[in-house]
Amino acid sequence: GAVVSQHPSRVICKSGTSVKIECRSLDFQATTMFWYRQFPKKSLMLMATSNEGSKATYEQGVEKDKFLINHASLTLSTLTVTSAHPEDSSFYICSARTTSGTEAFFGQGTRLTVV
Amino acid sequence: GQNIDQPTEMTATEGAIVQINCTYQTSGFNGLFWYQQHAGEAPTFLSYNVLDGLEEKGRFSSFLSRSKGYSYLLLKELQMKDSASYLCAVLDSNYQLIWGAGTKLIIKP
Repeated sequence: GAVVSQHPSRVICKSGTSVKIECRSLDFQATTMFWYRQFPKKSLMLMATSNEGSKATYEQGVEKDKFLINHASLTLSTLTVTSAHPEDSSFYICSARTTSGTEAFFGQGTRLTVV
Repeated sequence: GQNIDQPTEMTATEGAIVQINCTYQTSGFNGLFWYQQHAGEAPTFLSYNVLDGLEEKGRFSSFLSRSKGYSYLLLKELQMKDSASYLCAVLDSNYQLIWGAGTKLIIKP
């Protein structure tokens, strides 16, 4: 199946710094990518939908100035957590949807810990 | 509102069969997905149903009834490695994935 690569898999950063997470579709073009956050023992929470070449659509309650999303090409989307705080510590997962819309493949996820 | 229901937790025995149900109420329907997620890892794709009926893929099968807003994932010949959470998700009319909370499946020897 298609491969989505997410990097880094784990990151520890100091409070107040910014962290960038990359999501790449390796063998297919993804016009749409999704960014999720998962709290312990909870389902995935959609943060934003990223469309290549346009601004991301954020879900209600997600701060767009804090979670910056850039989808500069058909194979790369990035999520930057700006001025991170301990409450931003979480598991962040990206997903890229095939152009047919029939499958969505996930990156490996990024475990962010803010200390 | 949009809603997807699936049991929170299920327990089954190694070698047995288990059926995980999912009911949904969404604005439009463009398909239903099942994903497997091991603790601390990203979900992995298991199946996609858009037409009524049963889709079989090895030990896993998925069934869909659009008129009933119902799907199930059937796991046969259970193995210990099948212990995971199983997520049901529906693609709505805006092609957004609506997620269930997941069913934690515990396999006992």
